[in-house]
Amino acid sequence: DAKTTQPPSMDCAEGRAANLPCNHSTISGNEYVYWYRQIHSQGPQYIIHGLKNNETNEMASLIITEDRKSSTLILPHATLRDTAVYYCIVRVGTNNAGNMLTFGGGTRLMVKP
Amino acid sequence: DTGVSQNPRHKITKRGQNVTFRCDPISEHNRLYWYRQTLGQGPEFLTYFQNEAQLEKSRLLSDRFSAERPKGSFSTLEIQRTEQGDSAMYLCATDQTGKTDTQYFGPGTRLTVL
Repeated sequence: DAKTTQPPSMDCAEGRAANLPCNHSTISGNEYVYWYRQIHSQGPQYIIHGLKNNETNEMASLIITEDRKSSTLILPHATLRDTAVYYCIVRVGTNNAGNMLTFGGGTRLMVKP
Repeated sequence: DTGVSQNPRHKITKRGQNVTFRCDPISEHNRLYWYRQTLGQGPEFLTYFQNEAQLEKSRLLSDRFSAERPKGSFSTLEIQRTEQGDSAMYLCATDQTGKTDTQYFGPGTRLTVL
């Protein structure tokens, strides 16, 4: 699976959009971009994933560049409860041999009042 | 609540003791994964099962660690002769073969070895 690079930490004001970048310059054509987050002392929580088109769900939006070498997770109206470590993971979408996730260091997002 | 449960949530033990953790997956999920997370780091893969078969083990899984999934439902992770370096959060996740969306994680078991 391709490696990812994320800033170690970011701050965001409550109510503003949080834009979390991720670089994955060695991504392969069959690899998806997944985002998970981990709130303190909890297990990781799936947020969103995409292959090449932009995606949106009730939690967030995912913007993937045309060359697929980077992406941005957008939390449109950050709340204090969005304070967490956000992980960007690149992997093959489905693999009958198992979908082990390789976590990097993630971005620690601090939402401030 | 993702539907994946883990017990116990916290375990404190003395060095040299054996400990066992349990994971109950989402019922229709045939794959189950164990990860370990130390303080300040992201989770690291340990091993995974498809149904009752253990198909892959990480080099992190020393011979003191053993995992089972006897009937393809719940799984146990046992650590023998615990060491202080085993102190970590042990996470379980499950998914279904052929699905592209996500693994669902349990809340984890936090192990402290004194």
